[in-house]
Amino acid sequence: DSGVTQTPKHLITATGQRVTLRCSPRSGDLSVYWYQQSLDQGLQFLIQYYNGEERAKGNILERFSAQQFPDLHSELNLSSLELGDSALYFCASSPRPSSYEQYFGPGTRLTVT
Amino acid sequence: TQLLEQSPQFLSIQEGENLTVYCNSSSVFSSLQWYRQEPGEGPVLLVTVVTGGEVKKLKRLTFQFGDARKDSSLHITAAQPGDTGLYLCAGGEAGRRALTFGSGTRLQVQP
Repeated sequence: DSGVTQTPKHLITATGQRVTLRCSPRSGDLSVYWYQQSLDQGLQFLIQYYNGEERAKGNILERFSAQQFPDLHSELNLSSLELGDSALYFCASSPRPSSYEQYFGPGTRLTVT
Repeated sequence: TQLLEQSPQFLSIQEGENLTVYCNSSSVFSSLQWYRQEPGEGPVLLVTVVTGGEVKKLKRLTFQFGDARKDSSLHITAAQPGDTGLYLCAGGEAGRRALTFGSGTRLQVQP
């Protein structure tokens, strides 16, 4: 158990819908990262937050957004969902924004039908 | 963005055999992590190496960071069925906070 929690574990929704994925980092970690893992693309970095502020952006679509709240939990919002958005979404946390070591949650499996 | 290539992509061996997985890049990384991921779960951090030529051992697993910090290897001695999983290397670049992940090596250890 990494100490990072994610909900829900599974999510099935239809194209065009909007969903919210939630992540709570390890106790004491201020930095949160979101990754997408699909069969053909592997693990891709989406976005990073540190203590409530956006720090880095990766290959995140404009239909996706995220935020980190004062209690340090983070939410990833996915809208206008397409079939190709079906993937595993992972949250990871680290104690500092420059820390090389990241600890991953169990992931949310999103299926868009 | 730097790329990490892992080889082999798939490996199926018998219990007790030794194996080596490679992670290569044409660019320099500040650090290199190895993770293991089991189906339906998140990657679990195994080790971090940061110094060129560094060797770390974790029980039957030996990790090495290349002298030029462009490559790394993971060697497993006397593999066991519990070693089965997806092994991912991930590189950290100075000034870039996100990790770059390799495509992974899927290991199957048959009893």
